[in-house]
Amino acid sequence: SSELTQDPAVSVALGQTVGITCQGDSLRIYYATWYQQKPGQAPVLVIYGKNNRPSGIPDRFSGSSSGNTASLTITGARAEDEADYYCNSRDSSHNHGVFGGGTKLTVL
Amino acid sequence: EVQLVQSGAEVKKPGESLKISCKGSGYIFTSYWIAWVRQMPGKGLEWMGIIYPGDSDTRYSPSFQGQVTMSADKSISTAYLHWSSLKASDTAMYYCAKTKGGAYDPFEYWGQGTLVTVSS
Repeated sequence: SSELTQDPAVSVALGQTVGITCQGDSLRIYYATWYQQKPGQAPVLVIYGKNNRPSGIPDRFSGSSSGNTASLTITGARAEDEADYYCNSRDSSHNHGVFGGGTKLTVL
Repeated sequence: EVQLVQSGAEVKKPGESLKISCKGSGYIFTSYWIAWVRQMPGKGLEWMGIIYPGDSDTRYSPSFQGQVTMSADKSISTAYLHWSSLKASDTAMYYCAKTKGGAYDPFEYWGQGTLVTVSS
């Protein structure tokens, strides 16, 4: 399968913890990568591999995986975390990549 | 400092051809894969394909195979995305991105995007 499925929208109260999930057969084989995209901006890499953050990404962002589901967790959400989040992985056919449909995170 | 600088916005008519560019700097251009990602208006990211500028090896998503052509000119550290005959449905923002190393590694740097508008 070449699909990664994400919930279209998630909300979280300021300072609380939120998880954004991504499901797909390829996630049984490959780690998910997570990108944050704010309106009018290019995406930014936030989590990759088992649970790796690029320099400059706050440690309130973390990643995990179980079976066919990958999760991005934001612990202590801040207003600036309001954005679209996309998961990405290599397709289970092994020869191309795929993105999830994206999750719009609203911080209340 | 790693930078990917994309060419400017384009307005084209259906049936016209177009080539947009992505110039890399601050790293060894021939050693890292470059990906192209489409984002249609108000929609999500779509993985189009990747190219290795070192030898122009390319991998396309089935959705984009035959619809676009990726190329690279390593002498000027520039990757290209080419359409031979544009359609209105090609209207989108197109991003290039540099992987961390391998073909399917994370995209650690992104270009600013090129907006392509196709309208009669």
